[in-house]
Amino acid sequence: QVHLVESGGGVVQPGGSLRLSCVASGFNFAQYGFHWVRQAPGKGLESVTFIFADRNEQKYVDSVRGRFTISRDNSKNTVYLQMNSLRPEDTAVYYCAQDYDYTTESWGQGTLLTVSS
Amino acid sequence: DVVMTQSPLSLPVTLGQPASISCRSSESLVHRGGNTHLTWFQQRPGQSPRRLIYKVSNRDSGVPDRFSGSGSGTDFTLKISRVEAEDVGVYYCMQGTHWPWTFGQGTKVE
Repeated sequence: QVHLVESGGGVVQPGGSLRLSCVASGFNFAQYGFHWVRQAPGKGLESVTFIFADRNEQKYVDSVRGRFTISRDNSKNTVYLQMNSLRPEDTAVYYCAQDYDYTTESWGQGTLLTVSS
Repeated sequence: DVVMTQSPLSLPVTLGQPASISCRSSESLVHRGGNTHLTWFQQRPGQSPRRLIYKVSNRDSGVPDRFSGSGSGTDFTLKISRVEAEDVGVYYCMQGTHWPWTFGQGTKVE
């Protein structure tokens, strides 16, 4: 059974940095790509970045490119999201999502990032 | 990016009655591999999303059979045959065919 646990959220001032982690279990971690999807308070869902399973390649949406970096450590079954130059509009619950056949089967509980002075 | 447009955004329902949500994409969701990667999620208040339907019409294990998905190309529908109290929440369609994944605005069923 797919199990994802996000952590690392908190309150950060504008311009600050934070690293989120997502620990996965219940499947062969190295075989899957992962997305980070965020949800601003009271708003909808937005996928912001993706990392491939089998090659060192990542994708980013324009709003986070150059500020966010997704990475993975297959030995720890963990996906990371390094977030720099944070803005108030980055405030959201951040979920990691396993990419299984162009969809995701399970969601973690998410971790809340608040960017505020 | 592919734009996903849901309607209605708010859906008052009557218990025991049917309900239907429409989702339209700005581009075809047919993947080069032949599948159409359209997913429906349910998000109950205070909870993470839960997948209901994948590849247009495939119901996830444990999802009641009153939920069904249909459609093709750019037009898709989620139907609830008889709404129950536990179905209250926000429903999102999502396309996974094109990067980035994009979601509809959400339909609040209340």
